[in-house]
Amino acid sequence: AQTVTQSQPEMSVQEAETVTLSCTYDTSESDYYLFWYKQPPSRQMILVIRQEAYKQQNATENRFSVNFQKAAKSFSLKISDSQLGDAAMYFCAYRSGTGANSKLTFGKGITLSVRP
Amino acid sequence: EPEVTQTPSHQVTQMGQEVILRCVPISNHLYFYWYRQILGQKVEFLVSFYNNEISEKSEIFDDQFSVERPDGSNFTLKIRSTKLEDSAMYFCASGGTSGGPETQYFGPGTRLLVL
Repeated sequence: AQTVTQSQPEMSVQEAETVTLSCTYDTSESDYYLFWYKQPPSRQMILVIRQEAYKQQNATENRFSVNFQKAAKSFSLKISDSQLGDAAMYFCAYRSGTGANSKLTFGKGITLSVRP
Repeated sequence: EPEVTQTPSHQVTQMGQEVILRCVPISNHLYFYWYRQILGQKVEFLVSFYNNEISEKSEIFDDQFSVERPDGSNFTLKIRSTKLEDSAMYFCASGGTSGGPETQYFGPGTRLLVL
């Protein structure tokens, strides 16, 4: 079974600075997808970024980018120019590439606070 | 931009009562999911649904749970006889068009409290 580990329960960053959130996963599959979701206090789950395992290029989405290290099974999220609105819980998630209806497996999440 | 919607946003019920949580997935999506998140814990998969039948279910999804797509737009989760431990945030998600691999988009959640 696949597992997703987010070992840092909390992180803090100064507004306008850069922060990196760590995630590792364990799988025997070669085809899969990785995601970062943001959960603000409203508790809605908002997709931040997605990475396909077969792509060597790291995904970017405006101020958000990932460092995907397939051999190390590491998938970290970098937030540049942090804003107060980035304060939230961030979940790393894994989805198998086999079967279009594959479920998401989530990590425990990390709480990010942004200091003004 | 299309989005997944869920009703109600909050539901309070007595232990042993039946509840139905409703979701309207994104219109051209083919795959539907329910997840739950107990307060302070990670998001857990409950069930996936495709072509009018369950594709996969977790150990949590026991006989007290059922899902249905009664018409072309709604997707429901029914808990037949609620327990205290069913108190959680329940998320509906949808994904997948006929074109290929999907990202799952989540609704805003229903906060269920069982007393």
